[in-house]
Amino acid sequence: DAGITQSPRYKITETGRQVTLMCHQTWSHSYMFWYRQDLGHGLRLIYYSAAADITDKGEVPDGYVVSRSKTENFPLTLESATRSQTSVYFCASSESVSRGQETQYFGPGTRLLVL
Amino acid sequence: QKEVEQNSGPLSVPEGAIASLNCTYSDRGSQSFFWYRQYSGKSPELIMFIYSNGDKEDGRFTAQLNKASQYVSLLIRDSQPSDSATYLCAPILTGGGNKLTFGTGTQLKVEL
Repeated sequence: DAGITQSPRYKITETGRQVTLMCHQTWSHSYMFWYRQDLGHGLRLIYYSAAADITDKGEVPDGYVVSRSKTENFPLTLESATRSQTSVYFCASSESVSRGQETQYFGPGTRLLVL
Repeated sequence: QKEVEQNSGPLSVPEGAIASLNCTYSDRGSQSFFWYRQYSGKSPELIMFIYSNGDKEDGRFTAQLNKASQYVSLLIRDSQPSDSATYLCAPILTGGGNKLTFGTGTQLKVEL
């Protein structure tokens, strides 16, 4: 039971490069989420998706792009990485928005360093 | 005003004591509340969720909710060193989308 996985786990890149972080879940959950976690800010929602081909912005979407062509995958792309995007990125998924099914389960995270 | 407020700590308690973690939130329409535990360098993991006013118990953990006061808390009884972690309070925002809003977390240290 793989659950929810993220790759890569660690990434170092340079300012201006494009970076894609991958997220894969094996539960067939409808909802998927991308968060970033920084000291002093806690977890902040970047983008979320209610189903394949349905995505919406969260609290801090600028500089990021997402897609969801398949239910199980939700990649996050930094089109032109900036130092301010150095962070730990977590992907999460939930079954639905119905009470009792809205618990979000988190992947192991990707530590991204932008030089 | 932040949407979710938590005392950042660290909150230090001796082993075997009760740890009390508090959280206030600003979205009056929030109906679902989650507590996550996060060990250093790890991802958040669910501890409990609560929907109704009052107390909800699960083993050594008790969540308390008071919607009128916009207050939710987590009690940990018989605290163990393995409970040392950061505890994140997360209400679901109104407006749909199952969006959680997280507090910055309270760091708990359980001392031997």
